[in-house]
Amino acid sequence: NAGVTQTPKFQVLKTGQSMTLQCAQDMNHEYMSWYRQDPGMGLRLIHYSVGAGITDQGEVPNGYNVSRSTTEDFPLRLLSAAPSQTSVYFCASSLNPTPKYGYTFGSGTRLTVV
Amino acid sequence: GESVGLHLPTLSVQEGDNSIINCAYSNSASDYFIWYKQESGKGPQFIIDIRSNMDKRQGQRVTVLLNKTVKHLSLQIAATQPGDSAVYFCAENTGGGADGLTFGKGTHLIIQP
Repeated sequence: NAGVTQTPKFQVLKTGQSMTLQCAQDMNHEYMSWYRQDPGMGLRLIHYSVGAGITDQGEVPNGYNVSRSTTEDFPLRLLSAAPSQTSVYFCASSLNPTPKYGYTFGSGTRLTVV
Repeated sequence: GESVGLHLPTLSVQEGDNSIINCAYSNSASDYFIWYKQESGKGPQFIIDIRSNMDKRQGQRVTVLLNKTVKHLSLQIAATQPGDSAVYFCAENTGGGADGLTFGKGTHLIIQP
């Protein structure tokens, strides 16, 4: 049981490049979400999904796209990377939208945009 | 949240002492609160949660206290150990949970030998 798996762990992009951050969970969780963590700040919600085929915006969605074609996978796409998107990105999942048992987080992807 | 500005507040305690980490939450409609522990290079890890209809909840070596009157949450760690060294975040959820959690800025707990 791997939990929440994020790839890659580290990535350097040039401004304007696009890329996809991968997130997969094997716990049959319906709810998945993406957060970004900037130095000295708490996590901020980017996008979330309450089930396959359903996605919605969080607090800071601009510059990011998501899709949820399967229960297991929730990729985050950066369309045109900007230095302001330099951050650590965390994917989280939960059995259902109400975080009764808390979210399970992946180990993060550290992204640097130069 | 626990701090204003770019720097995490830091709490330094002696090994074996009790630690108290505080958090001021923002939304009076929040009905669920969680404390997370984040070790360096890792994702946040669930510690303990509490619903808004409770004032106190205890786990193994940890206690969460909730004061809804002043919108204040605290995490108490008994007999602090070196492995407790981490950044601690409080998070609040406003009914339903679909729009995720709102996290505080975090407190860095440092354990002195």
